[in-house]
Amino acid sequence: GIQVEQSPPDLILQEGANSTLRCNFSDSVNNLQWFHQNPWGQLINLFYIPSGTKQNGRLSATTVATERYSLLYISSSQTTDSGVYFCAVLMRTGANSKLTFGKGITLSVRP
Amino acid sequence: DGGITQSPKYLFRKEGQNVTLSCEQNLNHDAMYWYRQDPGQGLRLIYYSQIVNDFQKGDIAEGYSVSREKKESFPLTVTSAQKNPTAFYLCASSIVAGGPEQPQHFGDGTRLSIL
Repeated sequence: GIQVEQSPPDLILQEGANSTLRCNFSDSVNNLQWFHQNPWGQLINLFYIPSGTKQNGRLSATTVATERYSLLYISSSQTTDSGVYFCAVLMRTGANSKLTFGKGITLSVRP
Repeated sequence: DGGITQSPKYLFRKEGQNVTLSCEQNLNHDAMYWYRQDPGQGLRLIYYSQIVNDFQKGDIAEGYSVSREKKESFPLTVTSAQKNPTAFYLCASSIVAGGPEQPQHFGDGTRLSIL
């Protein structure tokens, strides 16, 4: 099946710093989502981005489907950005769609 | 408010017991999914359903069962055959579209532990 690799596995930032999180995938995909899982386990949709660039406040994401990677940028990080960031790719086979997750990137933002 | 409700938040199971996790959505989504998350890992697909009265196995279906009798409900039963059930379980739903794929939206999860 498709492989999804995220890097780096862990990241520690000082509040106010910027960061780039990477997601590589091994095959063509129909779509890609970025999620933030907070310390309580809630999984929040950040971006739904099959290709191109999207921005939402301090966060932005870019997917280059032809080169099989996506990047999540966090600018001016805040302590509330801490948690685990997941990339998930969606493949459609016939009438069924399947979302495959990476193992996540654990981000800790220190005050 | 529209959303996905999972209950209970915490659940304890005795050895040899079946337990059922509830997932209800009022988003009028066609598709529903169950995932399992182990510590330090991503989510793995257990079962999914794209239409009422139909469902398919995901990557780790052994020891689990589901039903889809109503569009808004997709309960998951963790059977005694699941030898390592301690995990965080997440339910999701999405629109099924013939065109571009639609994003999945998640509930807040149920933490299951063995007594």
